[in-house]
Amino acid sequence: DIQMTQSPSSLSASVGDRVTITCRASQSISSYLNWYQHQAGKAPKFLIYAASTLQDGVPSRFSGSGSGTDFTLTISSLQPEDFATYYCQQSYSHPYTFGPGTKVDIK
Amino acid sequence: QVQLQESGPGLVKPSGTLSLTCVVSGDSISSANWWTWVRRPPGKGLEWIGEIYHSGRTYYNPSLKSRVTISLDTSKNQFSLNLNSVTAADTAVYYCARSAAVGFDYWGQGTLVIVSS
Repeated sequence: DIQMTQSPSSLSASVGDRVTITCRASQSISSYLNWYQHQAGKAPKFLIYAASTLQDGVPSRFSGSGSGTDFTLTISSLQPEDFATYYCQQSYSHPYTFGPGTKVDIK
Repeated sequence: QVQLQESGPGLVKPSGTLSLTCVVSGDSISSANWWTWVRRPPGKGLEWIGEIYHSGRTYYNPSLKSRVTISLDTSKNQFSLNLNSVTAADTAVYYCARSAAVGFDYWGQGTLVIVSS
């Protein structure tokens, strides 16, 4: 199985801050990397696919980059509705696997 | 708009079988998508359980493979999850999702299943 790690596991930030989350795969996954946002009590929201392509309707303050084993999710200017847990997920091979999540909360 | 809705018992006894159904609207189960189950145990991250295609082809997480079955009912436009021999470790919020070519693009709201006697 491909193992996914994320750092940091949590962070505190203020509205307007730039936030960067890192995701690493245990082997090369090319660009088969997706990002999800999950708020408590809600369905996870699909943000980015193929490492850097925004899903329809996702604000442009979100961006993704990377390929191979190292990836990043950046929120250019954190908004109140962005406080959530973010997960990366590889879709390179079965079994699909998620990272452990990065919780973004209010400083 | 594609919508998915999970349903099933919220409490299952240890050693019993967890059975959930996901009703899909706004898309056909027979479309060119896979249909997926994901769970989130309390205090933990997301875990992919498995997925099914309209042909009946399935993929399962090897950690659950011996206990899990995913099936579909095209007449009702729904798919189901069965997980047998459950323990407290199977307590989780269970989500169904559409697995498009790019990723899990539509999700249900999730349903909490507690394994307890």
